[in-house]
Order: sequence, then C-alpha cells, then structure tokens
Amino acid sequence: GQNIDQPTEMTATEGAIVQINCTYQTSGFNGLFWYQQHAGEAPTFLSYNVLDGLEEKGRFSSFLSRSKGYSYLLLKELQMKDSASYLCAVRDKDSNYQLIWGAGTKLIIKP
Amino acid sequence: DAMVIQNPRYQVTQFGKPVTLSCSQTLNHNVMYWYQQKSSQAPKLLFHYYDKDFNNEADTPDNFQSRRPNTSFCFLDIRSPGLGDAAMYLCATSREPKETQYFGPGTRLLVL
Repeated sequence: GQNIDQPTEMTATEGAIVQINCTYQTSGFNGLFWYQQHAGEAPTFLSYNVLDGLEEKGRFSSFLSRSKGYSYLLLKELQMKDSASYLCAVRDKDSNYQLIWGAGTKLIIKP
Repeated sequence: DAMVIQNPRYQVTQFGKPVTLSCSQTLNHNVMYWYQQKSSQAPKLLFHYYDKDFNNEADTPDNFQSRRPNTSFCFLDIRSPGLGDAAMYLCATSREPKETQYFGPGTRLLVL
C-alpha cells in the first residue's frame, strides 16, 4: 500500500537546527515535496527532490534516499516564524502523478 | 503577481443548504485541484481537472461536484452540506500533472 509517515509534533529552540523526517512507501515514486503550512493557511511549496542527495535553499535543505524510502527537511537558524506544520508529499506515477500526503509535522519554536 | 485566488476565505452555511466555492488562477496552468483538509490531517484530493478532463477520486462523495468553465476558473459545489463537511477547502494548480502544485489561500467552511 501507499503510506507516508512523519512525526506528529516536534519542538525546537529559536536559533537552533531541526530535522524533520519522512518515510514513505509508494509503488511508483516520482518525486518528493515538502510544504510549509501555517495554522489556518494554505500549504506553500518549500522543496522538491527526485534524485538522491541534498537540495539546499537558504536556511532550508531537503534530503532524499530513494533506496531507503526516506527524506528529511533540515531547518537552520530557526526563527519564531518557522512555527508551522511541515507536510511531506510523494508524487506517485501509479496514481496519475497525484500527491500522496503525510499528515504533517507540527513544529513548535520556543524562545 | 501570478497567483491562485479563492473566494470567499470564510463561508458559513446551514446544514443541507447548497454552497459554491470558487477558485481562479492567473498562472495559466492546465491542472486545477480541489482538496479537503480537516484539522491536523493531510489534504485529501477530491478531484482535479487536466484542461477540460475531469478526474474524480473514487472515494469523493457524490455530494461534491465541480465545474471548470474555462482555464482560469474552477468551482466546488457542495449540494447538501453535512456537519462532517466542515473543513478547509484548498484549490491548487500545476502546469502539468508532473509539476509542482501551488495552492490558493483556502476557504474555511463552517456548517451550522
């Protein structure tokens, strides 16, 4: 079956680094996305990985290992505004390239 | 700025009273999606249009319908809203099915 797992909630300190993990099981992997969603708002696109390795974009980086069905989102120099849910989604070619979504990881930043 | 727009941002309706949510885009994307998202849950795809081709997810209730009269606009009709339909409704677009989806701000629906 198709499944995306990520922790429900994480807490980190302002200025620190946090890593949010995502594991997936899909039959037709065709790319992995990370989205940020502030409470009551829509998801906003953060990053995309389709090949193994690390993609860096400012304070945010995303890593993918296709053989392990694993990705992580790394957030550096945390700011209070980074408090949000982070959603992992996998594109599945066996489902007409639709996104299979995780339930999201709620990240709480403390001063 | 090119964007995805949803109206209204908040919608209150009564149990059983039909309601329509709208989405428009200036991105000229071929694909438009409607998702339902309940608190602390993953977005759930209801249906999507690839150009004029309508694709309904197998578990989308018949109570939900959609129209795409042109490239820019897409509507979500809920014929007889129940209390369980209270949720955030998200519209997203992508240039092609394989490309990144971009979301509108969402419409929060409350059913009384």
